[in-house]
Amino acid sequence: QKEVEQDPGPLSVPEGAIVSLNCTYSNSAFQYFMWYRQYSRKGPELLMYTYSSGNKEDGRFTAQVDKSSKYISLFIRDSQPSDSATYLCATTRGNQFYFGTGTSLTVIP
Amino acid sequence: DTAVSQTPKYLVTQMGNDKSIKCEQNLGHDTMYWYKQDSKKFLKIMFSYNNKELIINETVPNRFSPKSPDKAHLNLHINSLELGDSAVYFCASSQEGTGGVEQYFGPGTRLTVT
Repeated sequence: QKEVEQDPGPLSVPEGAIVSLNCTYSNSAFQYFMWYRQYSRKGPELLMYTYSSGNKEDGRFTAQVDKSSKYISLFIRDSQPSDSATYLCATTRGNQFYFGTGTSLTVIP
Repeated sequence: DTAVSQTPKYLVTQMGNDKSIKCEQNLGHDTMYWYKQDSKKFLKIMFSYNNKELIINETVPNRFSPKSPDKAHLNLHINSLELGDSAVYFCASSQEGTGGVEQYFGPGTRLTVT
């Protein structure tokens, strides 16, 4: 079992839609949970991270962690064509970092 | 100014060759990393390094070796290249003390082994 599992998609939505991206993880000891955005042929860039359970909001983006179900979510409100990218969830424990395989998102104008 | 830079951007080489990829960060970070991203976009950490400790992912073959001439640079040297080494390699950096949560990635080096 991989440490982090993520539905690869692809996911295609119309502009303005609410997008929900999800991951599950295996080890309850993980405490930090990150979301990265990766445009085609670019390096990943950190969108936001959360510590332990709860929500964190940054503009149109909300990250949510449910430790009881080992579930990580990223919500994008009022999605824009510029949000079209691959979204990677990640977690860390000590010096080890684990990434999901990424969900490819296309926002259609 | 580019925060994390890598050279070259593309690298095509033959099996059995030895090659190096360079990475530089101008963020003043203490910790640097190398990742491999395969054709399915799976990103896997290979090394993390600061001036105190080198952490090696146990699955990385010893043909791969990181070399750090100073805090701002972490180069990746690969011996005896194999077809399976074809991938995109990303360098990243973070500030020590943040647990590596906030990592800044370079643009990647696309390695093709023929």
